[in-house]
Amino acid sequence: SAVISQKPSRDICQRGTSLTIQCQVDSQVTMMFWYRQQPGQSLTLIATANQGSEATYESGFVIDKFPISRPNLTFSTLTVSNMSPEDSSIYLCSVGQRDTEAFFGQGTRLTVV
Amino acid sequence: DAKTTQPPSMDCAEGRAANLPCNHSTISGNEYVYWYRQIHSQGPQYIIHGLKNNETNEMASLIITEDRKSSTLILPHATLRDTAVYYCIASYHDMRFGAGTRLTVKP
Repeated sequence: SAVISQKPSRDICQRGTSLTIQCQVDSQVTMMFWYRQQPGQSLTLIATANQGSEATYESGFVIDKFPISRPNLTFSTLTVSNMSPEDSSIYLCSVGQRDTEAFFGQGTRLTVV
Repeated sequence: DAKTTQPPSMDCAEGRAANLPCNHSTISGNEYVYWYRQIHSQGPQYIIHGLKNNETNEMASLIITEDRKSSTLILPHATLRDTAVYYCIASYHDMRFGAGTRLTVKP
């Protein structure tokens, strides 16, 4: 198993600003993922964070809005840029290996006012 | 990832078995069936996964049909704490969540 620590756990931000969310894992992992969960909705995959290369974004998500860093095998950040109230969501980090289960952080609850 | 279809909601009496179905008719040969659940707005919790054989762990059992086009998650003795949204995912490595089934366990 893997223990994932996400920071901050919650934040209230002004529109037009940016927030960087950190994800720290207690062991080296190949794959790290970022998800968004809008109020009352299921989880949506934003991107796969690749160590040593650019993140792979899902349809509807772009690097300018959600830049991602993955400097090593235990750490990643997701930035939510130029925020609007529509970005109010829970953002979750996940880690996994092929053919095995994924583990999830407890999420960052973001409110944009 | 193969698309999955689950009923939007189910009820179960406390102490009884909860049987949650999932259809994944387009699953490919290397995709596993994973089950997760999410309680309130916590991070999803892994339950069980399998490729083609039935699986059992301390939380649940997973029954996969021989053609792998559907599966059933069984919680043998549901408790009130099992009330959650349950997600079935057919995947090789990245988890893509559908709408899930909201299971309500009632006293």
